Amino acid sequence: DVKVTQSSRYLVKRTGEKVFLECVQDMDHENMFWYRQDPGLGLRLIYFSYDVKMKEKGDIPEGYSVSREKKERFSLILESASTNQTSMYLCASNDGRQPQHFGDGTRLSIL
Amino acid sequence: GNSVTQMEGPVTLSEEAFLTINCTYTATGYPSLFWYVQYPGEGLQLLLKATKADDKGSNKGFEATYRKETTSFHLEKGSVQVSDSAVYFCALKEYNFNKFYFGSGTKLNVKP
Repeated sequence: DVKVTQSSRYLVKRTGEKVFLECVQDMDHENMFWYRQDPGLGLRLIYFSYDVKMKEKGDIPEGYSVSREKKERFSLILESASTNQTSMYLCASNDGRQPQHFGDGTRLSIL
Repeated sequence: GNSVTQMEGPVTLSEEAFLTINCTYTATGYPSLFWYVQYPGEGLQLLLKATKADDKGSNKGFEATYRKETTSFHLEKGSVQVSDSAVYFCALKEYNFNKFYFGSGTKLNVKP
């Protein structure tokens, strides 16, 4: 079974901090994704990566960056956290035409 | 462009009731369609999928049929249980691109 692991289930940070969210998958998937989930808005794509060191902006990339130095790991970075980035963050991975597999999510609060 | 529209929730049902959650989509080409389920405090899990017109996806008593003529992929279950209480997301994947589009989710509450 595919396992997508997000490093933290809950995280509390302060405004202006640099925040790192980590995601690791164990199925050698080429593609990895970061979404944020907000009530009434569903899932919105922040960034995705289709190969090591390759990244593409999603629908809401502003205020975020990503890093993919190894195939199994995809990091989301909040350069200077703001309160409007309080949200649930979901990481996913897949291979080609297959469905996405999701991690359990990180609930991030910015105070 | 591509999009997915789901019925708004919450949907509240008694145990053993029949469930329908409506989902319609807009897409170019021939997308694949999915239903995901999210239990409280967890990420999304794939529930079922269909990759071409008239395909029926099924899992755990849930079913959905890919209807190209009505651009719909409605989720149904004949008899819901309390343990089915969750948020359900309809999603599509473009045919030749690895991009997914999700609906806004429908919360289901099943009461004993």
